[in-house]
Amino acid sequence: AQSVTQLGSHVSVSEGALVLLRCNYSSSVPPYLFWYVQYPNQGLQLLLKYTSAATLVKGINGFEAEFKKSETSFHLTKPSAHMSDAAEYFCAVSFSGGSNYKLTFGKGTLLTVNP
Amino acid sequence: DAGVTQSPTHLIKTRGQQVTLRCSPKSGHDTVSWYQQALGQGPQFIFQYYEEEERQRGNFPDRFSGHQFPNYSSELNVNALLLGDSALYLCASSPYGTGAYEQYFGPGTRLTVT
Repeated sequence: AQSVTQLGSHVSVSEGALVLLRCNYSSSVPPYLFWYVQYPNQGLQLLLKYTSAATLVKGINGFEAEFKKSETSFHLTKPSAHMSDAAEYFCAVSFSGGSNYKLTFGKGTLLTVNP
Repeated sequence: DAGVTQSPTHLIKTRGQQVTLRCSPKSGHDTVSWYQQALGQGPQFIFQYYEEEERQRGNFPDRFSGHQFPNYSSELNVNALLLGDSALYLCASSPYGTGAYEQYFGPGTRLTVT
């Protein structure tokens, strides 16, 4: 079975500050991991993905995430927050092989950026 | 290049009614997945269609059914609507061979059941 836990349903940062959104996963086989962003009244946009290549993954809009197998974590970071980063962020897990094709999502973290 | 499109944008239905939601995948994609996102929650997997067959199903009752057409577009049907079916329904498409690890989402259909 696979699951995702996002620590902190709401994170608030100041503009220009470091953004750190936490994600821990549980998977019995090597996972694929994803971060999606959702702006109000919109669908999900893929920020970045880990599919067993480099453990440090760079995505769009200056975001990056590091896969740490020993900690079963895939935290999302951005060095300097912009007002436009305010949105809901979802971590998701899947894995290759077998007959599993679904993404399992965490409950999301709402990021607020203060001026 | 058009992304994933969904229709309608919003829908209001009454308990007990039936609803059909539609999805057109991104150009070059042949696999369609459907997710339900309740307010304040992450999306939950309903099912995935590939080659016009349901390939995998999540923990949803049989009231939820789907279809995929030869042009890869898809429909989600929900019968005997309950208040708890109120949610944002998201469609995601994938290119051939990538399974789950490259899913692109549409803007969603907001369903309200009264």
